[in-house]
Amino acid sequence: EIVLTQSPATLSLSPGERATLSCRASQSVSSYLAWYQQKPGQAPRLLIFDASNRATGIPARFSGSGSGTDFTLTISSLEPEDFAVYYCHQRSDWWTFGQGTKVEIK
Amino acid sequence: EVQLVETGGALMQPGGSVRLSCAASGFSVSNNYMSWVRQAPGKGPECLGLMYTGGSTYYAESVEGRFTITRDGSKNTLYLQMNSLRVEDTAVYHCAREDSSGYFAHWGQGTLVTVSS
Repeated sequence: EIVLTQSPATLSLSPGERATLSCRASQSVSSYLAWYQQKPGQAPRLLIFDASNRATGIPARFSGSGSGTDFTLTISSLEPEDFAVYYCHQRSDWWTFGQGTKVEIK
Repeated sequence: EVQLVETGGALMQPGGSVRLSCAASGFSVSNNYMSWVRQAPGKGPECLGLMYTGGSTYYAESVEGRFTITRDGSKNTLYLQMNSLRVEDTAVYHCAREDSSGYFAHWGQGTLVTVSS
């Protein structure tokens, strides 16, 4: 099973700041990696697919990069609604998720 | 508009069985790749299994032989039959639909299954 390790576990930032989230895979997943946002009591929301493609309706401040084993989700300037938990997810071999990074208000 | 609504969650005893339902609207469950994904408290999601358009199903090792995914096209509903429940099966259970991106683009709000003696 491919294990996805996300860092940091928690990111404390202020609105307007840049957020950089990391996801490392235990083996190459090529570009078969997605990012989701989840708010309390809600289902996950697809943000980025195939490492760098924004899903429908996702603002341009969200961007993804990486391939192989190392991936990054960047939020260029945090809006109040962006404070949430973010998960990476691979579909290269079965479907696994990371343990999440919480972006909280500093 | 795509909508998924899960029902059937309950407080269960270890060893028990329960069937979850996922009622879909805005698309056909028979013509899409559908999945069940669970999320234990404070944990990341875990994909339990998938059903493809042809009816083939695939399961995670953690539930293989205990959980079964079926669908009823006439009701446009996906099901998850859960047998031999364990305490570690306690989670919110979501159904999800893959879109053309190949990822879970649509999710239901989930239904809570608690397994406890």
